[in-house]
Amino acid sequence: KAGVTQTPRYLIKTRGQQVTLSCSPISGHRSVSWYQQTPGQGLQFLFEYFSETQRNKGNFPGRFSGRQFSNSRSEMNVSTLELGDSALYLCASTPSGSGANVLTFGAGSRLTVL
Amino acid sequence: EDQVTQSPEALRLQEGESSSLNCSYTVSGLRGLFWYRQDPGKGPEFLFTLYSAGEEKEKERLKATLTKKESFLHITAPKPEDSATYLCAVRGQAGTALIFGKGTTLSVSS
Repeated sequence: KAGVTQTPRYLIKTRGQQVTLSCSPISGHRSVSWYQQTPGQGLQFLFEYFSETQRNKGNFPGRFSGRQFSNSRSEMNVSTLELGDSALYLCASTPSGSGANVLTFGAGSRLTVL
Repeated sequence: EDQVTQSPEALRLQEGESSSLNCSYTVSGLRGLFWYRQDPGKGPEFLFTLYSAGEEKEKERLKATLTKKESFLHITAPKPEDSATYLCAVRGQAGTALIFGKGTTLSVSS
């Protein structure tokens, strides 16, 4: 059974640019969550999607956005990149968006902003 | 506001030297406390879920316990391959996101 797949794994951007990251959840999983991981702040919740609807949103500026498609694949976008956006962006999936389901994480997309 | 604090931030052990990692939490209506392991360059890997005070779970050299305010991850006779960052997370009221602590980085030397 394939795990959570994130692309690209590594990318370098410059300030002011925008970036789109992709996440393919485990087959049959309908909920996708995104987290930003930095050495100083640890894992911080960005947003969660379930059946193409945003269910939860973390405390991030509007430059961070996401969406989910009918096949449960998800993308997140960061516009007008800042140096502080350099981080590991992790995607995780669960079968559904309720309860205390275990999150299964992908390997992440490492974003470096110069 | 749901909050998770892990201590220590870093821990160095000799092979075979047992120890414990701490996870203190405040949450409205705990619906699960999770332990994950993260290796460098990889995403977190699920270890345990605990739901109520007094619950314990074991896996190889790891044992997780839960009280009403904190959880411990006990590591018995660790090996170098146990070196990783261990993350604790809580899920509170229905519909809320999983909130993570900053982790404890464990280094086990032979």
